[in-house]
Amino acid sequence: GNSVTQMEGPVTLSEEAFLTINCTYTATGYPSLFWYVQYPGEGLQLLLKATKADDKGSNKGFEATYRKETTSFHLEKGSVQVSDSAVYFCALMESGGGADGLTFGKGTHLIIQP
Amino acid sequence: EPEVTQTPSHQVTQMGQEVILRCVPISNHLYFYWYRQILGQKVEFLVSFYNNEISEKSEIFDDQFSVERPDGSNFTLKIRSTKLEDSAMYFCASRSTANTYEQYFGPGTRLTVT
Repeated sequence: GNSVTQMEGPVTLSEEAFLTINCTYTATGYPSLFWYVQYPGEGLQLLLKATKADDKGSNKGFEATYRKETTSFHLEKGSVQVSDSAVYFCALMESGGGADGLTFGKGTHLIIQP
Repeated sequence: EPEVTQTPSHQVTQMGQEVILRCVPISNHLYFYWYRQILGQKVEFLVSFYNNEISEKSEIFDDQFSVERPDGSNFTLKIRSTKLEDSAMYFCASRSTANTYEQYFGPGTRLTVT
């Protein structure tokens, strides 16, 4: 079956530091990959996506590249802000459209200190 | 900007009681989902719904659960006889077409079973 593995948190960084949150996946076929963010007390928001190998998703200064050879989709940001403090979830969906549900990783709690 | 809404935000119920969680997906979306997140754990897929029928369900979605789209706007999750372990945050999500990949999540309903 499908699975997503994320680095365990919490991850604590100082403002303006470089961020990497690792994500690797196991899937049959070629899934679409996503990063979702959950701010305190809120639901999940789509942060970025990539639908095929070598695609780079980007949004709000965050980036992630779909690496088929290493089955990875690591999230990066060059300079984090206090407002980036949240839980980040890596997720995949089987390709081919249809109505497949998302498979999520356990989430990584990011804490940015001023 | 259109968004998915869910009611109630918090539901407390006694073990063995039936609960109905309500969602209003984004109006032109065709695919609907329910997920749950037990406190401190990953977000788990429950069920997907398309064209007025279940498309896919996980092993969590047993006979105690059912979904319905009773009219053109609401999408409901019913738990027939709640158990303590059903306590979780339940998220509804919707997606517009088979050719798009983004699922948009509601803010969630926190279900507490006592």
